[in-house]
Amino acid sequence: DQQVKQNSPSLSVQEGRISILNCDYTNSMFDYFLWYKKYPAEGPTFLISISSIKDKNEDGRFTVFLNKSAKHLSLHIVPSQPGDSAVYFCAATGSSNTGKLIFGQGTTLQVKP
Amino acid sequence: DTGVTQSPTHLIKTRGQQVTLRCSPISGHKSVSWYQQVLGQGPQFIFQYYEKEERGRGNFPDRFSARQFPNYSSELNVNALLLGDSALYLCASAPPMSTDTQYFGPGTRLTVL
Repeated sequence: DQQVKQNSPSLSVQEGRISILNCDYTNSMFDYFLWYKKYPAEGPTFLISISSIKDKNEDGRFTVFLNKSAKHLSLHIVPSQPGDSAVYFCAATGSSNTGKLIFGQGTTLQVKP
Repeated sequence: DTGVTQSPTHLIKTRGQQVTLRCSPISGHKSVSWYQQVLGQGPQFIFQYYEKEERGRGNFPDRFSARQFPNYSSELNVNALLLGDSALYLCASAPPMSTDTQYFGPGTRLTVL
């Protein structure tokens, strides 16, 4: 039972354009969402998070949008840079306080120069 | 600042053997979580420890065990290794006031032959 889904395995965009990565979830008890970036042979790097009491959070070139009614979140990267090429994972957690992050399958982003 | 460190980087074992993986959290972090990542999937939660107590456990068999030491470092043990245990094992730590935002180490690549 995949509670967090990233339905696009890959995405390719031109340098300077916007990258939009999407994530859907099924568990309405999730109240905190995170995005991680992962390069090969490295661990995931935390990018940005959002609490369920918000619908938008922005940090530099990265913005996360949360649509609770649709159980959907997205990560916008503007402008995209070749160094952004990596695998992006969304993750979710609930208020059960077990520290368990539920991850999606990941989306591979390629930013072309 | 030193991030989360893990050792060893790579490990090759044969079926039936036992393995111990080690993790040191970011200084000041008291929470350590372990995840398993197989190729093409997102990380899967195994355990979380906070202040040396197990706070959460994922859907993994009893062959998997962990502990946390007084200095907040942690070990993950896997007994009776199976071929399917081949994966990247990730350790993450979290700050005391925001245990949902986890910071990952580079991982240990375990290969079971």
